[in-house]
Formats: sequence, structure tokens, C-alpha cells
Amino acid sequence: AQKITQTQPGMFVQEKEAVTLDCTYDTSDQSYGLFWYKQPSSGEMIFLIYQGSYDEQNATEGRYSLNFQKARKSANLVISASQLGDSAMYFCAMREMGGKLIFGQGTELSVKP
Amino acid sequence: DTGVSQDPRHKITKRGQNVTFRCDPISEHNRLYWYRQTLGQGPEFLTYFQNEAQLEKSRLLSDRFSAERPKGSFSTLEIQRTEQGDSAMYLCASSSAEQGSSNQPQHFGDGTRLSIL
Repeated sequence: AQKITQTQPGMFVQEKEAVTLDCTYDTSDQSYGLFWYKQPSSGEMIFLIYQGSYDEQNATEGRYSLNFQKARKSANLVISASQLGDSAMYFCAMREMGGKLIFGQGTELSVKP
Repeated sequence: DTGVSQDPRHKITKRGQNVTFRCDPISEHNRLYWYRQTLGQGPEFLTYFQNEAQLEKSRLLSDRFSAERPKGSFSTLEIQRTEQGDSAMYLCASSSAEQGSSNQPQHFGDGTRLSIL
């Protein structure tokens, strides 16, 4: 069965610094997709970035980048130049057959001024 | 396009009552997903539809739960004889299953927070 593991329950980062949120996954599929979502305290799930298993380049979206290491089965999210508004829960997810997502336990990021 | 809409945002009810939630997906999306999220956890898959067909149900979806998408547009999730353990956030998401859309994310609604007294 596919599984997503996020080992950091909580992380702190100083405003304007970069932070890396860890995500490892387990799958026997050759083709898969990995997603990161942000969930502020208000509850909505906001899509941040996507990485396909066959993508040769690491995905980037503005201040977000994904450090994809396929052999190690890791897909870490890097947030550069952290802002106070980045404080939220962050979830790593893998897409299974049919498109459903399997989520990790999440990492709570707190940005300090 | 106003995104995925869920109603109500909050529902408080007594144990044993029935509740129904509604989800309106993004209009051009043919796939609709339901997830449940308990405090401090990631969302867990419940069920999904492609158009009006319910294609998969999780083992989490006991026989007290039923979901419909009668015309392939909006969906409802009903919980009968609610229990304390049903207290959670219920999230709806939609996406397109068109060819070449494998990298398209699911778009989530704001969720319905259910509290069982």
C-alpha cells in the first residue's frame, strides 16, 4: 500500500529565512504524482506544487520548490524567504489510481517575526 | 468559476441524528472526492465519483454513510445515526480526469466541520 510519512510535527523558521519540510513516500508504482498542500487555521486546503515521478526537473512555483530525490523516495518542500502568512499546516500527498490522494500527517510551520 | 463550494460550513447535532452535507464542484470537473479530516491528522479518503458513478468507497465509509452525485454535478454525503466518532472536518474536492490532466491538482472546498454532542 502507498504511504506518505512526514516526520516533523512542528517546525519554526525566522521570517525571511528558508525552510525545508520533509516528506518520504512508499509505493510500488512506476508512475505517480506528489503534491504539497497548505492548510491555514481557517481550514481550506490550498494547492502549492506538484511533482511527477517522470519529471526530470525539480518543480518550482514562486517561493516554493520541491527537492525530489526519487531513489530515496523523498519529496521535500522548500519555502524560500518565509513570510508570516506561511504559518500553517503543510501536507504532502500522493495520488493513487483513480486520482484519490493519500496524505501524510502534516507539519505545522510557524514563522517568527 | 467560484471554486468548490461546501454547505454548511459548520454543523452541530446530537448523537443519533442524521446529517447531510452538500458539495458543488468546479463546473468543468468530472471527478468529485470526499475526505474526512480529524484533528491533527491529514485528510483520509472516503469515496469518489466520476460524473454520476461512484467508483470507489473506502473501508472508512461504514453503512451509515452514503454519498450521491445524481446528475454528475453536485454531491451529497449523508451520515445516519451519527456517533461521537463522526466528529470531523468533511472535505470535498474536484478535479478533471481528462487525458493529460494527471498533473492537475484536486481543488478543495472549505469543508464542513461536524460536531456531535
